[in-house]
Amino acid sequence: DTGVSQNPRHKITKRGQNVTFRCDPISEHNRLYWYRQTLGQGPEFLTYFQNEAQLEKSRLLSDRFSAERPKGSFSTLEIQRTEQGDSAMYLCASIPKWIMNTEAFFGQGTRLTVV
Amino acid sequence: AQKVTQAQTEISVVEKEDVTLDCVYETRDTTYYLFWYKQPPSGELVFLIRRNSFDEQNEISGRYSWNFQKSTSSFNFTITASQVVDSAVYFCALSGLIQGAQKLVFGQGTRLTINP
Repeated sequence: DTGVSQNPRHKITKRGQNVTFRCDPISEHNRLYWYRQTLGQGPEFLTYFQNEAQLEKSRLLSDRFSAERPKGSFSTLEIQRTEQGDSAMYLCASIPKWIMNTEAFFGQGTRLTVV
Repeated sequence: AQKVTQAQTEISVVEKEDVTLDCVYETRDTTYYLFWYKQPPSGELVFLIRRNSFDEQNEISGRYSWNFQKSTSSFNFTITASQVVDSAVYFCALSGLIQGAQKLVFGQGTRLTINP
């Protein structure tokens, strides 16, 4: 297994456009997380999936953000009507099933720039 | 609410020096986990260590060592004989079980630069 994969690695978009990011977790990892990291800050939790169920969403996740994980495998994060404040690194992480409080495995992230 | 504070924003040392990265946390949970991650320029967060709240034993792994002190809510990280390859941003993180989710609360990070 090659680890958590995120695509694209970089995305530049104009304000007001919609963007979608994809995360492929390590196979058989049933828990998947999205985090957002702005410049000079630590990652902040956005949302969490256990299998295909979205179990928790941060208040950081405005109505313009939506995440899905159909069939409990890969996940997508969509941002509608992007704003300059959405510029950040979006990180995905996965954790093996049935192992509590083990380390999360992170992807290399998608860096979004809204111009 | 949980909180992690890394007061050192940037540290710069010369190669072979020892360096300690500080981490202070706040939580009301009695059971919690602490982590250190390294973030090289490539962006991926690389796991370094996990420590649970019941285990205050210090740990050493090669040139890395960690000092967990529950009395002061600190989980400091020391690199001995630093090398240029240690240059990265280091994050301390805290995890508790909230609604079954194991979400991480990160500190602001410490940018470590090791100069040759």
